[in-house]
Amino acid sequence: AQTVTQSQPEMSVQEAETVTLSCTYDTSESDYYLFWYKQPPSRQMILVIRQEAYKQQNATENRFSVNFQKAAKSFSLKISDSQLGDAAMYFCAYRRGGTYKYIFGTGTRLKVLA
Amino acid sequence: DAGVTQSPTHLIKTRGQQVTLRCSPKSGHDTVSWYQQALGQGPQFIFQYYEEEERQRGNFPDRFSGHQFPNYSSELNVNALLLGDSALYLCASSAKGGRGGEQFFGPGTRLTVL
Repeated sequence: AQTVTQSQPEMSVQEAETVTLSCTYDTSESDYYLFWYKQPPSRQMILVIRQEAYKQQNATENRFSVNFQKAAKSFSLKISDSQLGDAAMYFCAYRRGGTYKYIFGTGTRLKVLA
Repeated sequence: DAGVTQSPTHLIKTRGQQVTLRCSPKSGHDTVSWYQQALGQGPQFIFQYYEEEERQRGNFPDRFSGHQFPNYSSELNVNALLLGDSALYLCASSAKGGRGGEQFFGPGTRLTVL
């Protein structure tokens, strides 16, 4: 069975600094997608970034980028120039290609210090 | 353009009762997924509806059932409520039968079972 592990329950970062959130996953599939979702205190979850497993290039969305290490089954999220609005729960998620079930990790709470 | 909406926002029930939660997908979306998010955990996939049929199901008992209407809105029904059913229930919608990429989440319904 596929699993997603986030080993950092909580992280803190100073405003304008860079932080990296870790995620590892376990799968025997070759076709899959990985995601980072942000859930602010208001609860509505939003997609931050996605990565297709077949793409070697790491995905980037403005200040957010990933380090996708397929052989190591690692998918970390780097947030550059952290802002107060980045404070939230961050969830790593996996979806096998051809299926519709997303598997989420337990989340990392990110605090941004002014 | 309205995003994903869910009702009610909060709900309190007692053990053994039945509950119905509602979800309206984002405009243009035809696929609805339901998740259960227990406190301090990541969302757990319950099931997904497409073309008014349950297409994929997670590891949830038959007490959890759903429905999708011709306008793509959806209901989640839970029978014989247990204390452990207390959680935030999230609805997510996507386009093109789930192959259109990103899923958008609603704000959730907080269910408390006493």
